[in-house]
Amino acid sequence: EAGVTQSPTHLIKTRGQQATLRCSPISGHTSVYWYQQALGLGLQFLLWYDEGEERNRGNFPPRFSGRQFPNYSSELNVNALELEDSALYLCASSEVAISPLHFGNGTRLTVT
Amino acid sequence: QKEVEQNSGPLSVPEGAIASLNCTYSDRGSQSFFWYRQYSGKSPELIMSIYSNGDKEDGRFTAQLNKASQYVSLLIRDSQPSDSATYLCAVNGPLPGGSYIPTFGRGTSLIVHP
Repeated sequence: EAGVTQSPTHLIKTRGQQATLRCSPISGHTSVYWYQQALGLGLQFLLWYDEGEERNRGNFPPRFSGRQFPNYSSELNVNALELEDSALYLCASSEVAISPLHFGNGTRLTVT
Repeated sequence: QKEVEQNSGPLSVPEGAIASLNCTYSDRGSQSFFWYRQYSGKSPELIMSIYSNGDKEDGRFTAQLNKASQYVSLLIRDSQPSDSATYLCAVNGPLPGGSYIPTFGRGTSLIVHP
């Protein structure tokens, strides 16, 4: 069974540009979570999608947005990139609400 | 707001010893508890899940949960250098409105030296 897949692995952008990150959950998982992990910091919750709807978002500005497609894959968009957006962005999926998260390999975003 | 607290370490143990990692959480309504291992530059990998009070063993790993004390721990027996990593504690449970958003601690760095 394929795990959670994320693309691209690395992404380099300049300040002010937009970044798009993609995620495919484990087959059968309908929930997708996005987390940001800045260097030396913990995992900060960004967004939760379930059954195609945004269910919750963390304490991040509106320029962080996303969506979930009918096949449950998801996209995270970051507009007007700032230097402090440089981080590892992790996507995870779960089978049901209290199940553990299974993470993809992450996208390393670098903003210069 | 839910909080999950871990000692950042580093926790240094000799090869073959028992490593004990601890985590406390603030929300008494939490229902599920997880330990993840994260190697530097990599994504978190699930090690253990525990849902009820007591101990749960899987190979060299034992998770312990005490809901009354709001405490969860991970024991690693016969520690190996390959166990050197950051260990993340995660807690999940219903938020107001019914959302389930796992909250992660900042992790404990474990170093197993030969």
